[in-house]
Amino acid sequence: DTGVSQDPRHKITKRGQNVTFRCDPISEHNRLYWYRQTLGQGPEFLTYFQNEAQLEKSRLLSDRFSAERPKGSFSTLEIQRTEQGDSAMYLCASSLVFGNTGELFFGEGSRLTVL
Amino acid sequence: AQTVTQSQPEMSVQEAETVTLSCTYDTSESDYYLFWYKQPPSRQMILVIRQEAYKQQNATENRFSVNFQKAAKSFSLKISDSQLGDAAMYFCAYRRDATSGTYKYIFGTGTRLKVLA
Repeated sequence: DTGVSQDPRHKITKRGQNVTFRCDPISEHNRLYWYRQTLGQGPEFLTYFQNEAQLEKSRLLSDRFSAERPKGSFSTLEIQRTEQGDSAMYLCASSLVFGNTGELFFGEGSRLTVL
Repeated sequence: AQTVTQSQPEMSVQEAETVTLSCTYDTSESDYYLFWYKQPPSRQMILVIRQEAYKQQNATENRFSVNFQKAAKSFSLKISDSQLGDAAMYFCAYRRDATSGTYKYIFGTGTRLKVLA
């Protein structure tokens, strides 16, 4: 078990470009979450999946953001037409549905810098 | 909407001493879960301790314990015998019970804990 992995760990892009982040959860975990964290702040909920179904999405989330989990395994988070305000750490976390203590297992995050 | 508030942006504690981090939350639900997560510098967030709202007994995990006051909607974390490795950001988090139909976790803004040698 290698834990939750995220790729890339760092991404620098120019304003207006599209970026995609990938998250590989712990293999038996069927829930997967995306959070955004800016410096000095707590994680802000973006969306979560149970298997391949996207069950909830933050109302604050711009339509430039889209997430997928096509086969209920890995997930991608795409940001289109990036803006400087999108600069943040994007965290992925996973958890079990059954036998779940409620613990979220986090990856190390993908840091986005928009110039 | 549920909210989680951590009013202490930063705390310091002397090594081997005890420190308490505060957290309050707002909810109209009666069943929910509360968590404390630790985020060391440049490392991933890990669970420190959890508490089910229906349990009156406060959770403990080795040097970590909570003071859960349901009526006051307060959930503080006590760290005893503080160690240098305890230095990190600590986040309080809330999740509604499974019967609510949502499994979204709401986090506070965090408290940075410094441990002084």
